[in-house]
Amino acid sequence: SQQGEEDPQALSIQEGENATMNCSYKTSINNLQWYRQNSGRGLVHLILIRSNEREKHSGRLRVTLDTSKKSSSLLITASRAADTASYFCATGGEAQKLVFGQGTRLTINP
Amino acid sequence: KAGVTQTPRYLIKTRGQQVTLSCSPISGHRSVSWYQQTPGQGLQFLFEYFSETQRNKGNFPGRFSGRQFSNSRSEMNVSTLELGDSALYLCASSLVYHTDTQYFGPGTRLTVL
Repeated sequence: SQQGEEDPQALSIQEGENATMNCSYKTSINNLQWYRQNSGRGLVHLILIRSNEREKHSGRLRVTLDTSKKSSSLLITASRAADTASYFCATGGEAQKLVFGQGTRLTINP
Repeated sequence: KAGVTQTPRYLIKTRGQQVTLSCSPISGHRSVSWYQQTPGQGLQFLFEYFSETQRNKGNFPGRFSGRQFSNSRSEMNVSTLELGDSALYLCASSLVYHTDTQYFGPGTRLTVL
């Protein structure tokens, strides 16, 4: 299975600090995506990084991809209370299936 | 553009019944995917439809089925409901490929009693 696995499972930080989440996967991919989910709601797409890209930015988000280590990281800078959510990585491979990991639950404390 | 819509938002059924959930994708999106999310199993892929054909399928029993209409709207059906089918069912649409950016609806919360 090429299922992504997020690490840590849960993360609690103070508002204003940076949050880093990691995702590891097992097989080759075409792209890797990060999504956010607020409690009990649908997922919101954050960023997509292709296998030939190493880093991508979007506002306060920075995603890196290391295909040699089969891993990705999501960095959220200057965290806010509104960033409290679960974050999922999803890997898209040659089988044309998008596989989601178990997620990291991020809590931002005021 | 309007986002992905799902109906109903909440549903309560009893064991043995069947249920049909509906999803309207973003206008112009041709791929519609369904997912089941539970606390224990996480987010699991059910199936994907493109041009009224099932293109991809996850590892779920035959009780779970779906279809897509010519306007790309999709329905999924679960027959002979079991307690373990209680979950948040999410629909997502993408332009063409399942591995493109997925745009999710708010989900349907199904409770089986």
